[in-house]
Amino acid sequence: EDKVVQSPLSLVVHEGDTVTLNCSYEVTNFRSLLWYKQEKKAPTFLFMLTSSGIEKKSGRLSSILDKKELSSILNITATQTGDSAIYLCAVFNDMRFGAGTRLTVKP
Amino acid sequence: NAGVTQTPKFQVLKTGQSMTLQCAQDMNHNSMYWYRQDPGMGLRLIYYSASEGTTDKGEVPNGYNVSRLNKREFSLRLESAAPSQTSVYFCASSGQGAVSGNIYEQYFGPGTRLTVT
Repeated sequence: EDKVVQSPLSLVVHEGDTVTLNCSYEVTNFRSLLWYKQEKKAPTFLFMLTSSGIEKKSGRLSSILDKKELSSILNITATQTGDSAIYLCAVFNDMRFGAGTRLTVKP
Repeated sequence: NAGVTQTPKFQVLKTGQSMTLQCAQDMNHNSMYWYRQDPGMGLRLIYYSASEGTTDKGEVPNGYNVSRLNKREFSLRLESAAPSQTSVYFCASSGQGAVSGNIYEQYFGPGTRLTVT
């Protein structure tokens, strides 16, 4: 059965810290992996990764896919309280989501 | 440009009652999706519609039916609600015209919080 596993499930850091969130997957016919940020309500799109080794970047957030390791990481540098959210990854084939990582950034 | 809208925002049902959740998008997207989100479980795909006139089952379709009424609207029906269907339901759409330029970027509605007692 296809699986998407995120770790850690929750994380508490202080402003200015750098965090790394992990997403590993076991799916047939992998096509792409997506990252979303969910604050109070609906998820919002962050990145889509298709090719191994190519980093996607947006401000302080970056993400990379490792097809050999069947995983992806999401890095957030110089965290701010506004980064507090649940971060979700999903595999595009069947839109299977991981359980999410709840990030709390304390001032 | 409202994006993806869902109605109602909240609903309480008794076991065995039926209801339809409505979703509409004004972005001319081909693909639409229904998810449920339970604590600690991320989002799970119930049904999706890759284009007008087609629907397919997702990970957790049992107890639900869907209708892609036209390109804009995709409804989710619970025929006989059960307490296990207590959840937050999200509708999403994707297609041409995404801000990121990525047709797979999904835009989510604000969600419907459903409680079945």
